[in-house]
Amino acid sequence: GENVEQHPSTLSVQEGDSAVIKCTYSDSASNYFPWYKQELGKGPQLIIDIRSNVGEKKDQRIAVTLNKTAKHFSLHITETQPEDSAVYFCAAIYRAAGNKLTFGGGTRVLVKP
Amino acid sequence: NAGVTQTPKFRVLKTGQSMTLLCAQDMNHEYMYWYRQDPGMGLRLIHYSVGEGTTAKGEVPDGYNVSRLKKQNFLLGLESAAPSQTSVYFCASSYRDGHTDTQYFGPGTRLTVL
Repeated sequence: GENVEQHPSTLSVQEGDSAVIKCTYSDSASNYFPWYKQELGKGPQLIIDIRSNVGEKKDQRIAVTLNKTAKHFSLHITETQPEDSAVYFCAAIYRAAGNKLTFGGGTRVLVKP
Repeated sequence: NAGVTQTPKFRVLKTGQSMTLLCAQDMNHEYMYWYRQDPGMGLRLIHYSVGEGTTAKGEVPDGYNVSRLKKQNFLLGLESAAPSQTSVYFCASSYRDGHTDTQYFGPGTRLTVL
């Protein structure tokens, strides 16, 4: 089945610096890649997503890049703020299994003021 | 619009007891999902439903049953709880446009099995 690997598992950055989280996937037929943010005690919330027909998508301080050839995609957060501290999950849609999402293991991001 | 709601928020069970977790959504979504979240393991799909009256197994279905009698509700049942089922359970719902699968999550249910 689909396998999504996410690195790093924890990331500590100074406020104002950038944070980068990387994911790789195995199903070459995957064409939709969302990123979720989970704050303490809450459910995951979609923050940005990308389809395979584009290489990059940006929304204010967050951006996602996709390399279909290498089967990896990344989340970039610029000018980090304390409220960016959370757990971030990447995911890929698994076409061969009824279009279900497969999630990475998560990255705990801590932004130090 | 409440989005996706889950009841209860917390529950403690003894081994062998049964319980049902309720998920409700008011977005008229066709698809609904149950996940469990364990430390360091991300979100794993237990069961899902592509419409009223239908259910299907996910990645970790053993020990759980589900029902989707109404479009807006998706129930997760544990017939005989085990300590290995201690976890945080999330329900999600989604629409699909043929290319995406944007899922909206509930706040979660923290279950402890003693």
